[in-house]
Amino acid sequence: GAGVSQSPSNKVTEKGKDVELRCDPISGHTALYWYRQRLGQGLEFLIYFQGNSAPDKSGLPSDRFSAERTGESVSTLTIQRTQQEDSAVYLCARSPQFKAGELFFGEGSRLTVL
Amino acid sequence: QKEVEQDPGPLSVPEGAIVSLNCTYSNSAFQYFMWYRQYSRKGPELLMYTYSSGNKEDGRFTAQVDKSSKYISLFIRDSQPSDSATYLCAMRDAGGTSYGKLTFGQGTILTVHP
Repeated sequence: GAGVSQSPSNKVTEKGKDVELRCDPISGHTALYWYRQRLGQGLEFLIYFQGNSAPDKSGLPSDRFSAERTGESVSTLTIQRTQQEDSAVYLCARSPQFKAGELFFGEGSRLTVL
Repeated sequence: QKEVEQDPGPLSVPEGAIVSLNCTYSNSAFQYFMWYRQYSRKGPELLMYTYSSGNKEDGRFTAQVDKSSKYISLFIRDSQPSDSATYLCAMRDAGGTSYGKLTFGQGTILTVHP
């Protein structure tokens, strides 16, 4: 949705396993964001990519979380040694440059850690 | 105390009612205020966007910002069953270049019944 494709849409994993979530935005928007939404909660900022600048990782909750982006295209969010509290919907969003607050979200990857 | 507080509801109203959704915040640096709508199992979509204090109207939707009280509202007139969704307020300050690094409320679940 909204020019952002996320995969997988659903992922069930066992505690302690690593997971990789993928985000593929349409071309032309250099800014890309990852947010996390726990059940019944608002969105929590995780990480931000803008062009060739160093990413803003200030929202990553622990060193088990990491993200990469290849140029201005695909991004992957990796969670190592998953814990039950990592269960959430992980949302990726693209943003037009210089338009504060306007985000176009994908439909999210729903992660369940058993 | 959370930076942004939003009554989670749920809120149930009859079709045609006027709906009022609200958020309070504590960070006086917030300058940009948004309302996102999120349908079940979908990503949020931007509904209204305002800068600083004042009112903004778009069809059946009116957004109000009162910075002196640190209070924002979204009004929906002539509510329809298709308005049934979770409504999230979001905001950010004016600094930096992370234009999409937003602070969200936890969302209000709205149901409009025929």
